[in-house]
Amino acid sequence: QVQLQESGPGLVKPSQTLSLTCTVSGGSISSGGYYWSWIRQHPGKGLEWIGYIYYSGSTYYNPSLKSRVTISVDTSKNQFSLKLSSVTAADTAVYYCARARTGTIAWWGQGTLVTVSS
Amino acid sequence: QSALTQPPSASGSPGQSVTISCTGTSSDVGGYNYVSWYQQHPGKAPKLMIYEVSKRPSGVPDRFSGSKSGNTASLTVSGLQAEDEADYYCSSYAGSNIPLFGGGTKLTVL
Repeated sequence: QVQLQESGPGLVKPSQTLSLTCTVSGGSISSGGYYWSWIRQHPGKGLEWIGYIYYSGSTYYNPSLKSRVTISVDTSKNQFSLKLSSVTAADTAVYYCARARTGTIAWWGQGTLVTVSS
Repeated sequence: QSALTQPPSASGSPGQSVTISCTGTSSDVGGYNYVSWYQQHPGKAPKLMIYEVSKRPSGVPDRFSGSKSGNTASLTVSGLQAEDEADYYCSSYAGSNIPLFGGGTKLTVL
């Protein structure tokens, strides 16, 4: 059974870079066939895809966030990471990492709340 | 890319059936048989309930079913139970673009 766990600071100052890491267990990122994804949910709101990365390093980003997002993968550690630059209060959200295939997400992390505040 | 359109709320009494719709375009819902439905209870991560329009993952009760017609997908919950009260989100593959989510539907069991 695949498990995903997000980690990173829960508080980020405005204009700084939000950095989160997702550690995958029970399955190898390098096995292929899956898109390792970041999704966020603003408080009381719906879900929003941020982007995803394939084990080879190919990435797809939400056009609305593309200029500020970088997703990377470290197959040696079975981890993938999210960086979101120039954050504002509008980036306060619960951030989920997940494993997806053709848009289907069978496995989700528990989510981590990131608050942007000075 | 616009989000998929879902009704903000739906409700039904225990034992009844409720259907939630999810409307997209020919570039997403109508173009692929990769529509998923997720259930989310407060403070919890979403849980996959339906994938590829009508398939149920292991462990999901057969009270949950999915279908699609044209650009609109639907989730039907039959024999409503109290624990079905949650938010439900649809999602659709959109080719090489980022997949889309619906805005979510709050299901209330009366």
